[in-house]
Amino acid sequence: GDSVTQMEGPVTLSEEAFLTINCTYTATGYPSLFWYVQYPGEGLQLLLKATKADDKGSNKGFEATYRKETTSFHLEKGSVQVSDSAVYFCALIGMDSSYKLIFGSGTRLLVRP
Amino acid sequence: SQTIHQWPATLVQPVGSPLSLECTVEGTSNPNLYWYRQAAGRGLQLLFYSVGIGQISSEVPQNLSASRPQDRQFILSSKKLLLSDSGFYLCAWRVGTGGSYGYTFGSGTRLTVV
Repeated sequence: GDSVTQMEGPVTLSEEAFLTINCTYTATGYPSLFWYVQYPGEGLQLLLKATKADDKGSNKGFEATYRKETTSFHLEKGSVQVSDSAVYFCALIGMDSSYKLIFGSGTRLLVRP
Repeated sequence: SQTIHQWPATLVQPVGSPLSLECTVEGTSNPNLYWYRQAAGRGLQLLFYSVGIGQISSEVPQNLSASRPQDRQFILSSKKLLLSDSGFYLCAWRVGTGGSYGYTFGSGTRLTVV
Protein backbone atom coordinates (compact mmCIF):
# COMPACT_ATOMS: atom_id res chain seq x y z
CA GLY A 1 0.00 0.00 0.00
CA ASP A 2 0.88 3.68 -0.10
CA SER A 3 3.42 4.90 2.45
CA VAL A 4 5.54 7.87 3.46
CA THR A 5 9.01 7.78 4.98
CA GLN A 6 10.59 10.80 6.61
CA MET A 7 13.86 11.35 8.37
CA GLU A 8 14.13 10.59 12.03
CA GLY A 9 14.25 13.46 14.45
CA PRO A 10 14.75 15.44 16.43
CA VAL A 11 16.51 17.96 14.25
CA THR A 12 18.21 20.69 16.26
CA LEU A 13 19.37 23.86 14.51
CA SER A 14 20.54 27.31 15.44
CA GLU A 15 18.46 30.28 14.36
CA GLU A 16 19.07 31.34 10.73
CA ALA A 17 20.42 27.90 9.78
CA PHE A 18 19.30 26.09 6.62
CA LEU A 19 16.70 23.36 7.08
CA THR A 20 16.11 20.20 5.09
CA ILE A 21 13.71 17.48 6.18
CA ASN A 22 13.74 14.50 3.84
CA CYS A 23 10.56 12.79 2.73
CA THR A 24 10.10 9.94 0.26
CA TYR A 25 6.96 8.12 -0.71
CA THR A 26 5.69 4.89 -2.21
CA ALA A 27 2.48 5.07 -4.18
CA THR A 28 0.97 4.08 -7.48
CA GLY A 29 0.23 6.77 -10.02
CA TYR A 30 0.52 10.41 -9.09
CA PRO A 31 -0.43 11.11 -5.49
CA SER A 32 -0.85 14.61 -4.07
CA LEU A 33 1.83 15.50 -1.55
CA PHE A 34 1.59 17.62 1.59
CA TRP A 35 3.55 19.00 4.50
CA TYR A 36 1.66 19.59 7.74
CA VAL A 37 2.98 21.30 10.85
CA GLN A 38 1.99 20.76 14.48
CA TYR A 39 3.06 23.45 16.92
CA PRO A 40 3.35 22.47 20.59
CA GLY A 41 -0.03 21.69 22.11
CA GLU A 42 -1.93 22.38 18.91
CA GLY A 43 -3.61 20.48 16.09
CA LEU A 44 -2.41 20.09 12.53
CA GLN A 45 -2.06 22.88 10.01
CA LEU A 46 -1.43 22.53 6.32
CA LEU A 47 1.94 24.09 5.51
CA LEU A 48 2.17 23.48 1.76
CA LYS A 49 1.19 21.04 -0.94
CA ALA A 50 1.93 19.94 -4.50
CA THR A 51 -0.44 18.01 -6.72
CA LYS A 52 1.66 17.05 -9.73
CA ALA A 53 5.23 16.27 -10.69
CA ASP A 54 7.67 19.23 -10.63
CA ASP A 55 5.20 21.42 -8.74
CA LYS A 56 6.75 23.48 -5.96
CA GLY A 57 4.69 24.20 -2.86
CA SER A 58 5.70 27.15 -0.73
CA ASN A 59 4.48 28.97 2.37
CA LYS A 60 6.03 31.00 5.20
CA GLY A 61 9.50 30.63 3.66
CA PHE A 62 9.22 26.84 3.42
CA GLU A 63 9.44 25.08 0.07
CA ALA A 64 9.11 21.54 -1.26
CA THR A 65 9.30 20.24 -4.83
CA TYR A 66 7.41 17.17 -6.06
CA ARG A 67 10.08 14.93 -7.61
CA LYS A 68 8.50 11.99 -9.40
CA GLU A 69 11.82 10.53 -10.54
CA THR A 70 13.11 10.22 -6.97
CA THR A 71 9.64 9.89 -5.32
CA SER A 72 10.61 12.66 -2.93
CA PHE A 73 9.12 15.82 -1.43
CA HIS A 74 11.84 17.28 0.78
CA LEU A 75 11.01 20.29 2.94
CA GLU A 76 13.48 23.22 2.94
CA LYS A 77 13.81 26.63 4.50
CA GLY A 78 16.72 28.96 4.01
CA SER A 79 16.75 30.55 7.45
CA VAL A 80 14.83 29.01 10.36
CA GLN A 81 13.48 30.92 13.32
CA VAL A 82 12.80 29.86 16.89
CA SER A 83 9.09 30.07 16.08
CA ASP A 84 9.52 27.28 13.50
CA SER A 85 10.06 24.77 16.31
CA ALA A 86 7.35 22.17 15.76
CA VAL A 87 6.71 18.68 14.44
CA TYR A 88 6.55 18.42 10.66
CA PHE A 89 4.61 15.68 8.89
CA CYS A 90 4.95 14.66 5.28
CA ALA A 91 1.81 13.10 3.82
CA LEU A 92 0.19 11.92 0.63
CA ILE A 93 -3.26 11.33 -0.75
CA GLY A 94 -3.30 8.39 -3.10
CA MET A 95 -5.30 7.67 -6.18
CA ASP A 96 -8.03 5.45 -4.71
CA SER A 97 -11.54 6.73 -4.04
CA SER A 98 -11.18 6.86 -0.27
CA TYR A 99 -8.75 9.83 -0.53
CA LYS A 100 -7.00 8.69 2.63
CA LEU A 101 -4.27 11.00 3.88
CA ILE A 102 -1.26 8.84 4.71
CA PHE A 103 1.29 10.39 7.07
CA GLY A 104 4.95 9.88 7.71
CA SER A 105 6.10 9.44 11.29
CA GLY A 106 6.85 13.14 11.78
CA THR A 107 10.09 15.02 12.39
CA ARG A 108 10.53 17.23 15.43
CA LEU A 109 12.43 20.45 14.75
CA LEU A 110 13.98 22.42 17.58
CA VAL A 111 15.46 25.82 16.74
CA ARG A 112 17.72 27.40 19.33
CA PRO A 113 18.32 31.15 19.59
CA SER B 1 -18.21 29.15 5.90
CA GLN B 2 -16.83 25.63 6.23
CA THR B 3 -15.79 24.63 9.73
CA ILE B 4 -15.11 21.51 11.71
CA HIS B 5 -15.87 21.14 15.41
CA GLN B 6 -14.47 18.52 17.73
CA TRP B 7 -15.09 18.02 21.44
CA PRO B 8 -14.19 17.68 24.17
CA ALA B 9 -10.72 19.17 24.01
CA THR B 10 -9.40 17.18 26.95
CA LEU B 11 -10.67 14.02 28.58
CA VAL B 12 -9.44 11.84 31.44
CA GLN B 13 -11.18 8.50 31.71
CA PRO B 14 -10.61 5.40 33.87
CA VAL B 15 -9.74 2.05 32.33
CA GLY B 16 -12.88 0.13 31.45
CA SER B 17 -15.09 3.19 31.04
CA PRO B 18 -16.93 4.02 27.80
CA LEU B 19 -15.89 6.72 25.35
CA SER B 20 -17.70 8.98 22.94
CA LEU B 21 -15.94 11.68 20.93
CA GLU B 22 -17.93 13.78 18.52
CA CYS B 23 -16.99 15.62 15.37
CA THR B 24 -19.29 17.79 13.28
CA VAL B 25 -18.73 19.80 10.14
CA GLU B 26 -20.59 22.83 8.83
CA GLY B 27 -20.90 24.44 5.46
CA THR B 28 -20.75 21.36 3.29
CA SER B 29 -22.66 18.22 2.45
CA ASN B 30 -21.62 14.60 2.01
CA PRO B 31 -18.03 15.15 3.15
CA ASN B 32 -15.45 12.40 3.53
CA LEU B 33 -14.65 12.22 7.26
CA TYR B 34 -11.68 10.67 9.04
CA TRP B 35 -10.51 9.83 12.58
CA TYR B 36 -6.78 9.83 13.33
CA ARG B 37 -4.88 9.04 16.50
CA GLN B 38 -1.50 10.31 17.56
CA ALA B 39 0.04 8.33 20.40
CA ALA B 40 2.58 10.13 22.59
CA GLY B 41 5.77 10.84 20.63
CA ARG B 42 4.51 9.04 17.55
CA GLY B 43 3.02 9.78 14.15
CA LEU B 44 -0.56 9.93 12.97
CA GLN B 45 -2.46 6.73 12.45
CA LEU B 46 -5.68 6.60 10.43
CA LEU B 47 -8.32 4.78 12.46
CA PHE B 48 -11.56 5.12 10.50
CA TYR B 49 -12.96 6.90 7.52
CA SER B 50 -16.45 7.42 6.16
CA VAL B 51 -17.62 8.40 2.70
CA GLY B 52 -21.31 8.66 3.66
CA ILE B 53 -24.01 8.09 6.28
CA GLY B 54 -23.69 4.65 7.85
CA GLN B 55 -20.54 3.86 5.83
CA ILE B 56 -17.52 3.17 8.02
CA SER B 57 -14.17 1.71 7.03
CA SER B 58 -11.72 0.58 9.68
CA GLU B 59 -8.02 0.78 9.02
CA VAL B 60 -6.66 -1.10 12.03
CA PRO B 61 -8.14 -3.69 14.41
CA GLN B 62 -8.63 -2.08 17.79
CA ASN B 63 -10.79 -1.41 20.78
CA LEU B 64 -12.58 1.49 19.11
CA SER B 65 -15.53 1.88 16.76
CA ALA B 66 -16.93 4.72 14.69
CA SER B 67 -20.37 5.72 13.50
CA ARG B 68 -21.84 8.29 11.17
CA PRO B 69 -25.48 8.77 12.13
CA GLN B 70 -25.88 12.01 10.15
CA ASP B 71 -24.23 13.44 7.07
CA ARG B 72 -22.06 15.89 8.99
CA GLN B 73 -21.54 13.98 12.24
CA PHE B 74 -18.80 11.46 12.94
CA ILE B 75 -18.51 9.72 16.32
CA LEU B 76 -15.65 7.70 17.80
CA SER B 77 -16.61 5.28 20.56
CA SER B 78 -15.39 2.57 22.85
CA LYS B 79 -17.32 0.31 25.21
CA LYS B 80 -14.33 -0.24 27.52
CA LEU B 81 -11.22 1.91 27.34
CA LEU B 82 -7.72 0.47 27.62
CA LEU B 83 -4.59 2.27 28.77
CA SER B 84 -3.28 1.97 25.21
CA ASP B 85 -6.20 4.10 23.96
CA SER B 86 -4.55 7.20 25.39
CA GLY B 87 -3.54 9.69 22.75
CA PHE B 88 -4.48 12.74 20.73
CA TYR B 89 -7.50 12.13 18.52
CA LEU B 90 -8.07 14.23 15.46
CA CYS B 91 -11.11 14.41 13.24
CA ALA B 92 -10.55 15.53 9.67
CA TRP B 93 -12.62 16.47 6.68
CA ARG B 94 -11.57 16.33 3.10
CA VAL B 95 -12.22 19.60 1.34
CA GLY B 96 -12.02 20.59 -2.28
CA THR B 97 -12.27 18.52 -5.41
CA GLY B 98 -10.07 16.96 -8.02
CA GLY B 99 -6.37 17.59 -7.71
CA SER B 100 -6.62 20.55 -5.39
CA TYR B 101 -8.23 18.86 -2.44
CA GLY B 102 -6.82 18.74 1.03
CA TYR B 103 -7.78 18.03 4.60
CA THR B 104 -8.96 20.29 7.37
CA PHE B 105 -8.39 19.03 10.89
CA GLY B 106 -10.32 19.67 14.05
CA SER B 107 -8.53 21.01 17.11
CA GLY B 108 -8.24 17.53 18.60
CA THR B 109 -9.14 15.69 21.80
CA ARG B 110 -6.40 14.72 24.20
CA LEU B 111 -7.51 11.50 25.88
CA THR B 112 -5.75 10.13 28.94
CA VAL B 113 -6.84 6.73 30.20
CA VAL B 114 -5.88 6.19 33.83
